[in-house]
Amino acid sequence: GQNIDQPTEMTATEGAIVQINCTYQTSGFNGLFWYQQHAGEAPTFLSYNVLDGLEEKGRFSSFLSRSKGYSYLLLKELQMKDSASYLCAVRVPTGANNLFFGTGTRLTVIP
Amino acid sequence: GAGVSQSPRYKVAKRGQDVALRCDPISGHVSLFWYQQALGQGPEFLTYFQNEAQLDKSGLPSDRFFAERPEGSVSTLKIQRTQQEDSAVYLCASSFDGSGNTEAFFGQGTRLTVV
Repeated sequence: GQNIDQPTEMTATEGAIVQINCTYQTSGFNGLFWYQQHAGEAPTFLSYNVLDGLEEKGRFSSFLSRSKGYSYLLLKELQMKDSASYLCAVRVPTGANNLFFGTGTRLTVIP
Repeated sequence: GAGVSQSPRYKVAKRGQDVALRCDPISGHVSLFWYQQALGQGPEFLTYFQNEAQLDKSGLPSDRFFAERPEGSVSTLKIQRTQQEDSAVYLCASSFDGSGNTEAFFGQGTRLTVV
């Protein structure tokens, strides 16, 4: 089976930096995705890592270590609107090239 | 359309009733996925289409669940004889090709409540 772990909840202060970790054990690996999901809305794509290292995109960065089965999402200069669930998903090279999701990390940004 | 469209947004069904959930993917997208998301959980894979071919249905929880995409565009997820444990948000996602290297775009989902 596929196992993707991330913390259930995190709280951080507006303007600060927060790191959301994700570890995975999957039968194959074809890329790791981070999605943001506000309550009652669709998940929206944030980042994609397939090679080791850091991908930076504005206030958001994502890191991958394939040998450790580990990724993190780094959010800088937190804003209140960043309060949402952050979903880590691993693409597994089955026939469907399917995305397997973690349970999501609910981030609350406080003033 | 501009994004993935799902209908209805909300559906309340009496236990035992059949329901049909519709997904309109982004035009030209080859791959289409259905996911089930319970409250406070991540999306769980149900089934996958590449054009009209259903290549993976390993996530469908029972034979009461059936999905189709007859012309390789719009897809319908049908649940027969609904039960309370079927209550969840059903998400549809599409991606441009089947290579696995392109992101999946999600619809807003259909929230199904079985009473």
